[in-house]
Amino acid sequence: EAQVTQNPRYLITVTGKKLTVTCSQNMNHEYMSWYRQDPGLGLRQIYYSMNVEVTDKGDVPEGYKVSRKEKRNFPLILESPSPNQTSLYFCASSFLDKQETQYFGPGTRLLVL
Amino acid sequence: GENVEQHPSTLSVQEGDSAVIKCTYSDSASNYFPWYKQELGKGPQLIIDIRSNVGEKKDQRIAVTLNKTAKHFSLHITETQPEDSAVYFCAAGNTGNQFYFGTGTSLTVIP
Repeated sequence: EAQVTQNPRYLITVTGKKLTVTCSQNMNHEYMSWYRQDPGLGLRQIYYSMNVEVTDKGDVPEGYKVSRKEKRNFPLILESPSPNQTSLYFCASSFLDKQETQYFGPGTRLLVL
Repeated sequence: GENVEQHPSTLSVQEGDSAVIKCTYSDSASNYFPWYKQELGKGPQLIIDIRSNVGEKKDQRIAVTLNKTAKHFSLHITETQPEDSAVYFCAAGNTGNQFYFGTGTSLTVIP
């Protein structure tokens, strides 16, 4: 089954404790992206990647890191989480020439205390 | 960068009526305009999209229109059903670059 998987689905952590949210897709998509969703603000792009070893900042990259060492994986790293990073996070992927057709993962709800 | 504005933020319609959601964008370089539906507890899912070289596109009860001159595009849902209740997002982008979402419209279809 074609899908985007994210782990964990729920996470409660404390300020400053490094964490990684994994994202994997099995559709051989070149384009992968991370978004955060906050009430009243819609989805905002954090980072995106057009292919292996190519990453670019989105609208809200501060406090986040990503890497794209393999085509299928695109982890999101919070080196020192802060309470303002409490949010719902989505990973998505698509073919590079069909970015309008992004497939989204199920989401990761993060609470930073 | 691009700025996508979406209205209204909430919309209630009677079952069988039509619903219209409008978006504007600022960057004339944007060349694709998808619409996503998000049901509770799930990720957004593409329902229809339009490219900048097309003015209108239909898929059964859903249609999207694009006015490039005015930089706005709209989603039209006809004969609404309770299962159409969800949050709808418009988006705009330029191939190979950033992707921008609107702030969402919560649609409620009243049986």
